[in-house]
Amino acid sequence: DGGITQSPKYLFRKEGQNVTLSCEQNLNHDAMYWYRQDPGQGLRLIYYSQIVNDFQKGDIAEGYSVSREKKESFPLTVTSAQKNPTAFYLCASGGGRYYEQYFGPGTRLTVT
Amino acid sequence: GEDVEQSLFLSVREGDSSVINCTYTDSSSTYLYWYKQEPGAGLQLLTYIFSNMDMKQDQRLTVLLNKKDKHLSLRIADTQTGDSAIYFCAESYNNNDMRFGAGTRLTVKP
Repeated sequence: DGGITQSPKYLFRKEGQNVTLSCEQNLNHDAMYWYRQDPGQGLRLIYYSQIVNDFQKGDIAEGYSVSREKKESFPLTVTSAQKNPTAFYLCASGGGRYYEQYFGPGTRLTVT
Repeated sequence: GEDVEQSLFLSVREGDSSVINCTYTDSSSTYLYWYKQEPGAGLQLLTYIFSNMDMKQDQRLTVLLNKKDKHLSLRIADTQTGDSAIYFCAESYNNNDMRFGAGTRLTVKP
């Protein structure tokens, strides 16, 4: 099956710890994205990558880091510098015929 | 700043039509999209419309585009309880990049 997977679905961490969220796609898309969604709010872009070994900051990159060593994978690290890390994180890939993006199922991160 | 705007809430009765409205920002956007998000899930692409089209119909879904007013709407005919979700409008820019609205929460009452 083609698609985007994110793991884990739920993640719990103590304050002060870094945590890495996984995102894998087998759609052969060049572009990948990380969004953050807070309750009752829309999507905010954290980081995006248009090609392997290259990535750009989005609107709310502070306290986050990414890597893009493989076309299929775009992991997001939430560092201890992120002030309010508890949120729902969505990964997407893009590059379809109509420039559409396809989303993974999301990871809900809770930091206490 | 530039925002894609949507009303936040819509409530309809089962069997009625739902119309979700959106105002987008960039007249040069190539494609416009509607996504559906069910609780605790990712976004599912429902439909898209090319910017030189006025209307697109796909089963119960009808998308209307008024390019002059930068207004996009999604009509769901015969709305069912399973249609209850958050609906996001989005526009493309810079090819693969997208700008999303805040989402409209549709509640369908039996």
